[in-house]
Amino acid sequence: EAGVAQSPRYKIIEKRQSVAFWCNPISGHATLYWYQQILGQGPKLLIQFQNNGVVDDSQLPKDRFSAERLKGVDSTLKIQPAKLEDSAVYLCASRPLPRGRNTEAFFGQGTRLTVV
Amino acid sequence: SQQGEEDPQALSIQEGENATMNCSYKTSINNLQWYRQNSGRGLVHLILIRSNEREKHSGRLRVTLDTSKKSSSLLITASRAADTASYFCATLQETSGSRLTFGEGTQLTVNP
Repeated sequence: EAGVAQSPRYKIIEKRQSVAFWCNPISGHATLYWYQQILGQGPKLLIQFQNNGVVDDSQLPKDRFSAERLKGVDSTLKIQPAKLEDSAVYLCASRPLPRGRNTEAFFGQGTRLTVV
Repeated sequence: SQQGEEDPQALSIQEGENATMNCSYKTSINNLQWYRQNSGRGLVHLILIRSNEREKHSGRLRVTLDTSKKSSSLLITASRAADTASYFCATLQETSGSRLTFGEGTQLTVNP
């Protein structure tokens, strides 16, 4: 089966500019996660969707970050305006079932964002 | 906030030796998972252990889970240079809507 697709792979923007990342999860996966991974640290959960509804966005900086999941499939994560500290790799992951099963998450290759 | 904490932060060993990484977490979980990340790439799932399991094996990997101590360990036996990567534990909490929370990771270097 096809894996989780993310684009772009790399993005360089100036601070205060806007940027958007796209994720196409594995077909049929109900749960979708967006993580921020700063160099040398573990992935930090930004937002979690179950189908097209938000399950957890408690760690999403909502003043500048937004995300949506269209028709419960593709998802976009947007930053507006970007700050220097947003420089990180943004990872998308999907999981087959929302709850009740012991399944792993499948990750995309990530988008490396550099804010200058 | 991060759920898991890995120990050590960095580990350097010779090829053929065993590598042990530890993970501690704070709240009750449904399962604990270990992932591997090569530099600049996405995470790859290695092994999953359920909260009612104590030990699990997969090839050269052995994972243990002690829910009373809220800790887990990952053992890689007979390490190879290709095992060089960052290793992360992640806890799944179904009570939090299947939240998957990662630790800070252990950077493993296997010297040829």
